[in-house]
Amino acid sequence: EAGVAQSPRYKIIEKRQSVAFWCNPISGHATLYWYQQILGQGPKLLIQFQNNGVVDDSQLPKDRFSAERLKGVDSTLKIQPAKLEDSAVYLCASSPSGRGELFFGEGSRLTVL
Amino acid sequence: AQKITQTQPGMFVQEKEAVTLDCTYDTSDPSYGLFWYKQPSSGEMIFLIYQGSYDQQNATEGRYSLNFQKARKSANLVISASQLGDSAMYFCAMRERDSSYKLIFGSGTRLLVRP
Repeated sequence: EAGVAQSPRYKIIEKRQSVAFWCNPISGHATLYWYQQILGQGPKLLIQFQNNGVVDDSQLPKDRFSAERLKGVDSTLKIQPAKLEDSAVYLCASSPSGRGELFFGEGSRLTVL
Repeated sequence: AQKITQTQPGMFVQEKEAVTLDCTYDTSDPSYGLFWYKQPSSGEMIFLIYQGSYDQQNATEGRYSLNFQKARKSANLVISASQLGDSAMYFCAMRERDSSYKLIFGSGTRLLVRP
């Protein structure tokens, strides 16, 4: 079974530029999550989708971050414009339902200069 | 208030010995799940073990066991017979039914296994 796929693995941009991350969850998984993990900290939930609807985006900085999950499968997380403090690893995870373990991708490491 | 608290930023253990990583949690939801994940330096999050709030017995998975003390709201991870490959960050996490089952993580404990 293929795991959660994320791209790109690494991205370096300058502040005020934009960036987009893509996630393809495990086939059949209804729930998809985006987490932000700043170096030395635990992952922080940015947004949670159930199929193509948003369940929780309370910690998503909506003035600069946006996310969508078209057709309830792939998802894209966008940052525009980026700030220095957005430097982090962006982890995508999926689960079959609202319960049970989450399966994580390898993450996308963003460096904002 | 912190939902998940891991008070040990770093731990050392001698190879082949056992080690306990602490985790306390805060919830008023009777239905919740507790998880431990391992994050090696390569960055991937690896699921280790799960404990449901209604589970009567402590969870075990190979060398990993979860010391679940519901009244104290603690869910400590015990790793037996430590191996060099166990050196990593370890995160405790919780999902609550009343919070749409979103997974909230603690700040992590860095474990270093000494040869």
